[in-house]
Amino acid sequence: EDQVTQSPEALRLQEGESSSLNCSYTVSGLRGLFWYRQDPGKGPEFLFTLYSAGEEKEKERLKATLTKKESFLHITAPKPEDSATYLCAVQHLNDYKLSFGAGTTVTVRA
Amino acid sequence: NAGVTQTPKFQVLKTGQSMTLQCAQDMNHEYMSWYRQDPGMGLRLIHYSVGAGITDQGEVPNGYNVSRSTTEDFPLRLLSAAPSQTSVYFCASRRGGETQYFGPGTRLLVL
Repeated sequence: EDQVTQSPEALRLQEGESSSLNCSYTVSGLRGLFWYRQDPGKGPEFLFTLYSAGEEKEKERLKATLTKKESFLHITAPKPEDSATYLCAVQHLNDYKLSFGAGTTVTVRA
Repeated sequence: NAGVTQTPKFQVLKTGQSMTLQCAQDMNHEYMSWYRQDPGMGLRLIHYSVGAGITDQGEVPNGYNVSRSTTEDFPLRLLSAAPSQTSVYFCASRRGGETQYFGPGTRLLVL
């Protein structure tokens, strides 16, 4: 059975304190891995798609990487506006369905 | 481009009542989905559609009904609401295997 596990559940950071979020997965056939950001009371907002091991994508202070078993979302020198829940999802090769992890809630204090 | 829109934003129901959550997209996406989001459980797929007239069940379909008569609209019907259906509901759409876009959500409370 496909599984997507995100850790930690919650992360409290001081402004400027870099850290990483983990998304480990087991899936029968991976087409792609997606990262979303979700603010309270809002819908998930797309950040990145990664398709193959070794691939990296960057956007401002965020960098996503992918291996055959996990993905990392690195937050470099975070600011309070980076506070959000970050969701990871794997897309199945055959039917394109997405399976989501439970998310990591990041709080950045000024 | 409005993207994916959902109505209502918030709804309170009594047990046994029925209602329809509306979802529309203006991106001409053939693939539309409904998810529910509960604390600590992530997004779970309720029903999905790969085009007008075609729907299928997701992970947690019981108690929900869908239809897709047009490319733009994908309503979700609760036939007889139960407290276990208290949740936040998200509609999403995409083209094929491309990026999936989400609506703003409907927060549902069943008393």
